[in-house]
Amino acid sequence: GAGVSQSPRYKVAKRGQDVALRCDPISGHVSLFWYQQALGQGPEFLTYFQNEAQLDKSGLPSDRFFAERPEGSVSTLKIQRTQQEDSAVYLCASSFFSSAGGAEQFFGPGTRLTVL
Amino acid sequence: DQQVKQNSPSLSVQEGRISILNCDYTNSMFDYFLWYKKYPAEGPTFLISISSIKDKNEDGRFTVFLNKSAKHLSLHIVPSQPGDSAVYFCAASRSNDYKLSFGAGTTVTVRA
Repeated sequence: GAGVSQSPRYKVAKRGQDVALRCDPISGHVSLFWYQQALGQGPEFLTYFQNEAQLDKSGLPSDRFFAERPEGSVSTLKIQRTQQEDSAVYLCASSFFSSAGGAEQFFGPGTRLTVL
Repeated sequence: DQQVKQNSPSLSVQEGRISILNCDYTNSMFDYFLWYKKYPAEGPTFLISISSIKDKNEDGRFTVFLNKSAKHLSLHIVPSQPGDSAVYFCAASRSNDYKLSFGAGTTVTVRA
């Protein structure tokens, strides 16, 4: 498919476990974003990549969250020592352009993380 | 702090009638606004956008209105169809800024 894909779609983790969430953006898209969506809320920005460079990680809630995009394509969001408050849907989005102000972001279906 | 607010969590409308969704923002630096539509178990999909140099943008059944002085925008769907039943998110950004700030969403239900 030509859209943004994410895996796994659902993840259940025990508190304290590490998890890794994968995002495959649309081929050729320069920008990649991660968002966190809590139940009943809108997506909240976590981090932004332009190609392989992580230009903004200001939205990451703690140092337990780490994201990478080593070859400027696939990205992984890693959460260490998961806590119950990490339970949310994690959305990945990509965009052809390197800045917003008009650049549509294409979203994947998300990974629903539940921490028990 | 919530910079984009959608104060109506839900809206029910009869098929064929108009749906009006509202959105308010607090950051006067925002100058680009978007609406996204989301079905269950899918990611949000782009619907329509408007730049702050305009006060109206129309695309088929969807029209977005922007009132900069009131820091308010609205999405009109005319006529509403059953396939429009979804969650609608309002989002805002600044020019040359990649971050989108989203509202909490409004769930629209179109009744047959």
